[in-house]
Amino acid sequence: EDQVTQSPEALRLQEGESSSLNCSYTVSGLRGLFWYRQDPGKGPEFLFTLYSAGEEKEKERLKATLTKKESFLHITAPKPEDSATYLCAVSGGYQKVTFGIGTKLQVIP
Amino acid sequence: NAGVTQTPKFQVLKTGQSMTLQCAQDMNHEYMSWYRQDPGMGLRLIHYSVGAGITDQGEVPNGYNVSRSTTEDFPLRLLSAAPSQTSVYFCASSSGHRDAKNQPQHFGDGTRLSIL
Repeated sequence: EDQVTQSPEALRLQEGESSSLNCSYTVSGLRGLFWYRQDPGKGPEFLFTLYSAGEEKEKERLKATLTKKESFLHITAPKPEDSATYLCAVSGGYQKVTFGIGTKLQVIP
Repeated sequence: NAGVTQTPKFQVLKTGQSMTLQCAQDMNHEYMSWYRQDPGMGLRLIHYSVGAGITDQGEVPNGYNVSRSTTEDFPLRLLSAAPSQTSVYFCASSSGHRDAKNQPQHFGDGTRLSIL
């Protein structure tokens, strides 16, 4: 059974204080690891897809990396508008996607 | 480009009532799915469809029905609502898979459902 564990559950940062969110996973035959951002009252918004160990993707202050057992979402010099819940998901079969519970990030001005 | 549209945004039902949650996408995506999201739990797959006329069960299908008569629409039906079905429901779509790589899903903004 595919599993996804995200840590920490909640993270509070000062504006400009860089940090990383972790996503540990077990999956039989990775067909994609996905990062989403979810704002209160909204649906998840797609950020990145990673397909193989060693792959990295960047978007503004966010950088996602992937190893064979975990993925990290690095946030560099965060701003208050980066506050959201970040979800990690893995796909082991045809569109069979397992989500983690998420990390709730709060960035304080 | 509207993406994935869900209606209604909020709904309150009494135990035993039935209703249909609507989902429509305008991206010509072949894959559509329904999830529920509950506090302290990740998104859980209810049903999914890989194309018009084809549906299958996900992780938590009991008490829900789906059909896919067109590429654009994927309604979710609650047959006889129960308090345990109080949740936030999300519909998602994707272009499927290419070369054994699954494509990311695009989500609607959800339907918040309360069963009394």
